[in-house]
Amino acid sequence: QKEVEQNSGPLSVPEGAIASLNCTYSDRGSQSFFWYRQYSGKSPELIMFIYSNGDKEDGRFTAQLNKASQYVSLLIRDSQPSDSATYLCAVNNNAGNMLTFGGGTRLMVKP
Amino acid sequence: SQTIHQWPATLVQPVGSPLSLECTVEGTSNPNLYWYRQAAGRGLQLLFYSVGIGQISSEVPQNLSASRPQDRQFILSSKKLLLSDSGFYLCAWIAPYGYTFGSGTRLTVV
Repeated sequence: QKEVEQNSGPLSVPEGAIASLNCTYSDRGSQSFFWYRQYSGKSPELIMFIYSNGDKEDGRFTAQLNKASQYVSLLIRDSQPSDSATYLCAVNNNAGNMLTFGGGTRLMVKP
Repeated sequence: SQTIHQWPATLVQPVGSPLSLECTVEGTSNPNLYWYRQAAGRGLQLLFYSVGIGQISSEVPQNLSASRPQDRQFILSSKKLLLSDSGFYLCAWIAPYGYTFGSGTRLTVV
């Protein structure tokens, strides 16, 4: 069983819609969770992190964490074609010094 | 501010040739540094990490090696490249909130 799992996609949404990206993790002791965006040929860039159960909002992005279900998600409201990228979920280990990445979900936002 | 530099950006090397990729960090001291590889269309695979000068931990057995000769310098090397070494190599340091990645080196072994 992979430690961090994501649907590889592609997830296709129309411009202006809400894109919902999901991630599950296996280590119940994980404390912090990250979402990275990676454009084709570029390195990943951090867009959000979340530590506590519930929702965290930053502009058009909302991260949701449910530790009981070992589930973290990213919602992108008013999706734009420029949001088309691969989104990587990452989970920190207990020591806080190592991230484990999911395989990424490719998002396509169609005009 | 902290920045991470990685070079070269692109590299084409023949099978059996040596490799040296360099990563340097500015604006911080004693950072934890990481080398990841991403094969085409795949996720990130942790290769090596270092918590200090001369301290290297290997996550995956392979023909690659890493060294940390200075606090802010992390080097990835190989004596003889294989075709399977092709990929996108990323250096990262662990900032207060997650990793910050360098711009990456795209290596093609031919």
